[in-house]
Parts: sequence; structure tokens; C-alpha cells
Amino acid sequence: KQEVTQIPAALSVPEGENLVLNCSFTDSAIYNLQWFRQDPGKGLTSLLLIQSSQREQTSGRLNASLDKSSGRSTLYIAASQPGDSATYLCAVDTGNQFYFGTGTSLTVIP
Amino acid sequence: DVKVTQSSRYLVKRTGEKVFLECVQDMDHENMFWYRQDPGLGLRLIYFSYDVKMKEKGDIPEGYSVSREKKERFSLILESASTNQTSMYLCASSLGGHNTGELFFGEGSRLTVL
Repeated sequence: KQEVTQIPAALSVPEGENLVLNCSFTDSAIYNLQWFRQDPGKGLTSLLLIQSSQREQTSGRLNASLDKSSGRSTLYIAASQPGDSATYLCAVDTGNQFYFGTGTSLTVIP
Repeated sequence: DVKVTQSSRYLVKRTGEKVFLECVQDMDHENMFWYRQDPGLGLRLIYFSYDVKMKEKGDIPEGYSVSREKKERFSLILESASTNQTSMYLCASSLGGHNTGELFFGEGSRLTVL
């Protein structure tokens, strides 16, 4: 069964810093990988979707990369802001199910 | 923009009550999913559906049932609510097909069972 791991579980950085969140998965047979943001008490908001044939995707200050063969993805956030504080989750799509990591809780300190 | 709407953001029910959680999506998506999210356990799949009147059990279906009579609506039913079903419930949808595609979530329904 696919297992998805996100390390670290929590991260605290000063405003303006660039940062990287990590996601690893055990089975490389995936169709795509998706990064989400979740604010407290809310649902998940889709940030970026990377198809299995792609290496990276960019949206504004966010850049996600995918190395399917090694089972890893990273989410790079440039010039972090207090409004980026949230939990970030990754999920892999195996074609009939999504498998989620437990997330990284990010705090950006003003 | 894709919109997934969950009818109730907060519910408080008593043990033994029947509970209905409704989810509607407006983008003609084939796939719909129900998850529950608990601290330390992450998201766990309860049921999913690839088409109208079709349902598949997820990882934790016990104590739950679902209904999909129309393509846009996927309902989660707790036949007899128990305290261990207190949780955040999240509905999601995706386009469908061989590659299930981008997943879109609703705002969540926080259920408390007393």
C-alpha cells in the first residue's frame, strides 16, 4: 500500500525566508501529485498539481518539483509571508485513490 | 472555479441519531469522495463514488453509508451516530477517468456527537 510521509511535521520561519517542504511516497506508480493548503477548521485548498510526466509546476511564489523515481516531491515557498501560515499536505493519485501525508504545519513569524 | 459545497459547517448530534451530511459539486465531476480528518491520523477515506448510483468502500466504511442518486450530489449517512464519529468530515470531487485528476475539497463539516 502507498505510504506518504511529510517531514518535518512543523516548521517555524521568520518572514521573508525561502523554505522547502518535503513529501515522500513509497510506490512510484502514481498518476500525479498534488499539494494542498489547509487553514485551521477549513477544507483543503489545491495549490499545485504535478502530472507524473512533469518535473515541476509553478504558481506565483510557489514551486513544486517531482522526482517520481526516487519517490520525492518538494514545495518551495519564496519570500514567505505571515499569510502563508497554514498546514501543507501532499497527496498522490494512484489512479483509483488518493493517499495523503499528515502535513507540515508552517508558521511564518512577522 | 470548481465549487464543492458541504451543507453544514457545524453539527451537534446525540448518540444514536441518524445524521446526513450533504455534498454538492458544480463542475460535472465523475468522482466524489468522503474523508474524515482526525488529529494525528490525517485524512482517511470513508467511501467514494465513480458514477451515479455507484459506491465503493474506502479504508474506514464501518458505521457509514452513502448515497449518490444524482451526479452532483454525494451524501454521507451515519445510521446511528456514536461518540467516536466526532470528527471533521471532508467531501471532495475530481473530474474522473483513468487519471482521477485534480482533487477539489469542500469547506468541511465539523460533527460533534454527544
